[in-house]
Amino acid sequence: AQSVTQLGSHVSVSEGALVLLRCNYSSSVPPYLFWYVQYPNQGLQLLLKYTTGATLVKGINGFEAEFKKSETSFHLTKPSAHMSDAAEYFCAVSEGVHKYIFGTGTRLKVLA
Amino acid sequence: GAVVSQHPSRVICKSGTSVKIECRSLDFQATTMFWYRQFPKQSLMLMATSNEGSKATYEQGVEKDKFLINHASLTLSTLTVTSAHPEDSSFYICSASESGLNTGELFFGEGSRLTVL
Repeated sequence: AQSVTQLGSHVSVSEGALVLLRCNYSSSVPPYLFWYVQYPNQGLQLLLKYTTGATLVKGINGFEAEFKKSETSFHLTKPSAHMSDAAEYFCAVSEGVHKYIFGTGTRLKVLA
Repeated sequence: GAVVSQHPSRVICKSGTSVKIECRSLDFQATTMFWYRQFPKQSLMLMATSNEGSKATYEQGVEKDKFLINHASLTLSTLTVTSAHPEDSSFYICSASESGLNTGELFFGEGSRLTVL
């Protein structure tokens, strides 16, 4: 069965500092992996996705993630945090049939 | 990009009444749509998979008779919360996959916040 674990329900970084949000997954087949961002009272916006091919995936707003099969990880990073990055971030895994399993989410706080 | 729209974005109703939430794919056809429920500060929990022209598939623990799903066309799925109670208050989000594409990507609506008094 698929599962997603996001370590750290809350992460605080200073503006301009590196953002690292952790995601580990389990899947019986090569997974599709996604990161979504959610602002208060809004739906989910896709940041980036990994399906096949290059393991380093670049997304919107300067975010990127690297698929590491050996570590079953798909951590999200951004070199320099901006105040507007404060939001809830969800990692999700899909086994190619559009049925997503979401992680519990990480709330990112950016300190001035 | 593909756009999914939900309506209403917010609804307040009295206990015992029914509420309908619409999910539309605006610029693509969606054979399959998904309905999620999100409690405050929690993750999204899949409630059901809505298939155009057939019955929805509900996840374990989700009451079929309480959460009625209809997917009558390739661009519209509706979720009706019947005889709503305060514990049904939540944020409901739909998503859709584009028919014919196998990218694994889902497109999400803006969500609908239901408050039952």
